[in-house]
Amino acid sequence: EAQVTQNPRYLITVTGKKLTVTCSQNMNHEYMSWYRQDPGLGLRQIYYSMNVEVTDKGDVPEGYKVSRKEKRNFPLILESPSPNQTSLYFCASRKSGYSYEQYFGPGTRLTVT
Amino acid sequence: SQQGEEDPQALSIQEGENATMNCSYKTSINNLQWYRQNSGRGLVHLILIRSNEREKHSGRLRVTLDTSKKSSSLLITASRAADTASYFCALTDSWGKLQFGAGTQVVVTP
Repeated sequence: EAQVTQNPRYLITVTGKKLTVTCSQNMNHEYMSWYRQDPGLGLRQIYYSMNVEVTDKGDVPEGYKVSRKEKRNFPLILESPSPNQTSLYFCASRKSGYSYEQYFGPGTRLTVT
Repeated sequence: SQQGEEDPQALSIQEGENATMNCSYKTSINNLQWYRQNSGRGLVHLILIRSNEREKHSGRLRVTLDTSKKSSSLLITASRAADTASYFCALTDSWGKLQFGAGTQVVVTP
């Protein structure tokens, strides 16, 4: 089954404790991205990757890091989480090019206390 | 960066009625997509309409695009309780980036 998986699905952590949210897709997609969703703000892109070893900032990259060492994986790293990073996070992937739908993971609900 | 603005923000209808929501934007686009999100879950792609298309259908969904007015509409016909969800328009700009609006929350009551 074609899918994007994320782990963990729920995470409660404390300020400053480094964490990683994993994302994996099995569709051989070149393009992957991370979004955060906050009430009333829709989805905002954090980082994206056009292919292996090619990453770039989205609209809200501050406080986040990513890496793309393999085509299927695109982890999101919070080196020192803060309460304002409490949010619902989504990983997504699609084929390269403009006219392709994005496939979304199930989401990771992160709470930073 | 631009993003679509959905209208209305929320919509409550009864089963069997049609639901219409609109998306307006400000600059040129490559295509426009509509997604559905059930509460707290991942988004699911519904339909993509290219900038040179005016209308597309998929099952009970009808999407129109008017590039002169920079607007799109999503019509769900004969709505069902299972259509209760948030609906987002997303614009693909000339850089290939997808920009999402804040969404329309639709509630369909039996």
